Amino acid sequence: SQQGEEDPQALSIQEGENATMNCSYKTSINNLQWYRQNSGRGLVHLILIRSNEREKHSGRLRVTLDTSKKSSSLLITASRAADTASYFCATHESGNTPLVFGKGTRLSVIA
Amino acid sequence: EPEVTQTPSHQVTQMGQEVILRCVPISNHLYFYWYRQILGQKVEFLVSFYNNEISEKSEIFDDQFSVERPDGSNFTLKIRSTKLEDSAMYFCASSDEGSSDEQYFGPGTRLTVT
Repeated sequence: SQQGEEDPQALSIQEGENATMNCSYKTSINNLQWYRQNSGRGLVHLILIRSNEREKHSGRLRVTLDTSKKSSSLLITASRAADTASYFCATHESGNTPLVFGKGTRLSVIA
Repeated sequence: EPEVTQTPSHQVTQMGQEVILRCVPISNHLYFYWYRQILGQKVEFLVSFYNNEISEKSEIFDDQFSVERPDGSNFTLKIRSTKLEDSAMYFCASSDEGSSDEQYFGPGTRLTVT
């Protein structure tokens, strides 16, 4: 089984709508991070939420973490065409263990 | 804003050839990483590097791979004898406080092995 699985795999919405992406994971974690990747480009760090946090906001982004369900969600409010990208969750377990990425959700925001 | 840079942006090589991918991490960062992403698949960790030595490596990072910090700014990934399946995007990343911290990624090098 895979750590950090996002759903849906693809999401298409109209500009102005909210987009919600979910991530589930298997093991205990130290923190969970969300990254964005524009097509063919590098990864951009969006937000980091620690295991003792339940919710975090950054601009139009809202991330929740439910450690009892081993899941996280990323909400983008009032989406824009520029939000079109793939979004990945990545988990960090402990110490120097590396980030483990999910397969990502491909978000398309239609103007 | 400081950023991680990588060169080249695209490298085409023949199977069996050696390649060196270069990265310049953010200058005050102490932890460095290489990841790869095969087209359409997830980002996979290769190796982390701290204090001039490898701190963690994945199963992918076999004897064909090596990393080096040859000077105070560059961080390189060498693939000794490339295989077709090494074709992927290779991302370098750096962080200030280790793998639990947010990592700053470079734009990637697309490696195509023919």
